[in-house]
Amino acid sequence: EPEVTQTPSHQVTQMGQEVILRCVPISNHLYFYWYRQILGQKVEFLVSFYNNEISEKSEIFDDQFSVERPDGSNFTLKIRSTKLEDSAMYFCASRGRYNEQFFGPGTRLTVL
Amino acid sequence: KNQVEQSPQSLIILEGKNCTLQCNYTVSPFSNLRWYKQDTGRGPVSLTIMTFSENTKSNGRYTATLDADTKQSSLHITASQLSDSASYICVVSAMYSGGGADGLTFGKGTHLIIQP
Repeated sequence: EPEVTQTPSHQVTQMGQEVILRCVPISNHLYFYWYRQILGQKVEFLVSFYNNEISEKSEIFDDQFSVERPDGSNFTLKIRSTKLEDSAMYFCASRGRYNEQFFGPGTRLTVL
Repeated sequence: KNQVEQSPQSLIILEGKNCTLQCNYTVSPFSNLRWYKQDTGRGPVSLTIMTFSENTKSNGRYTATLDADTKQSSLHITASQLSDSASYICVVSAMYSGGGADGLTFGKGTHLIIQP
């Protein structure tokens, strides 16, 4: 069964450093999403992406964040200058023509 | 403001017992409601999706109900197993006119622990 994959599973970085989180959505899916989940809190929407551009973003998704689909398979989330409060699980999701989003296993980002 | 409230926050039951998790929402205009299971350190996995016209849907030992009038949903787990230990998240989608965004509002989840 096709699934969303994410790499790395765990990323440790120093405050102020740039990180890139990678996702491979399910092939033939059209909509892509990034979410984050701070430990013990609920999943929060960051951004959605369709037709090679951002279709919606939350107030969390400020200028420090960017997304890109550099080729036909990868979907990346870049955090330019990480802060301590960026420590969280980051989930990628994709969906096809119908309504259901499929989530990846997540990347745990730890900012020291 | 769109909100999803879940109860209880956590629940411990013995293996083999049944349980019911609750979800109340204020999302408008309503599109659909989903229940996800999230194992610790993993991404959410969809259990059920219900639209306005559906008031019950089953997936194996999981049965979800929806009352669109009172804006409440429940997830009933029958004959619980140790592998059911996880967080169960209620997610409600609002209708948007376009843009490809699903307008999802997530609940905080119910943390379920099944004890042998």
